[in-house]
Amino acid sequence: DIQMTQSPSSLSASLGDRVTITCRASQSISSHLNWYQQKPGMAPKLLINGASNLQSGVPSRFGGSGSGTDFTLTISSLQIEDFATYYCQQHHSPPFTFGPGTKVDIK
Amino acid sequence: EVQLVESGGGLVQPGGSLRLSCAASGFTFSPYWMHWVRHAPGKGLVWVARMNGDGSHIAFADSVRGRFTISRDNAKNTLYLQMNSLRVDDTAVYYCARETNWDLEYWGQGTLVTVSS
Repeated sequence: DIQMTQSPSSLSASLGDRVTITCRASQSISSHLNWYQQKPGMAPKLLINGASNLQSGVPSRFGGSGSGTDFTLTISSLQIEDFATYYCQQHHSPPFTFGPGTKVDIK
Repeated sequence: EVQLVESGGGLVQPGGSLRLSCAASGFTFSPYWMHWVRHAPGKGLVWVARMNGDGSHIAFADSVRGRFTISRDNAKNTLYLQMNSLRVDDTAVYYCARETNWDLEYWGQGTLVTVSS
């Protein structure tokens, strides 16, 4: 099975900060990587698919990059509505494992 | 509007069984791959299972394989998760999600399963 790791597990940031979250796969997954945002008590929301393709309606301050085993989610200027937990998920092969998540909270 | 509504959660004793349902509306259900994902309290998301439109392709997480069964009734636009031999660590909110080209694009609101004596 493909294992996913994320770093950091949590971070504190201020409004307007640039935030970078990394995700690593235990083997190459090409670009078969999605990013999801989850707020407390709510279902996850798809932000980015194919490692770098922004979903319709997702603000352009979100960006994704990477391929193979190393991936990055970047928020260029953190807004109040971005405080949430972020998960990467591989869909290269089942089981379609999620990373453990990165919680972004207010400094 | 695409809607997914889960039901069937509740309190069950360890070793017990529960069947979750996910009622789909607002789209043609039968062609779509569907997934179950769970979120335990204080933990991260865990992918549970996936099924294609006609039920010919199914996959499970290692942690539930042999205990959980996924099925669907396309005439009723409903996805199911039969959970047997439940353990305390199966306690979670269970979400169903619709897949579009490998993306979990639409999610339900979730149903809480609590396994406790």
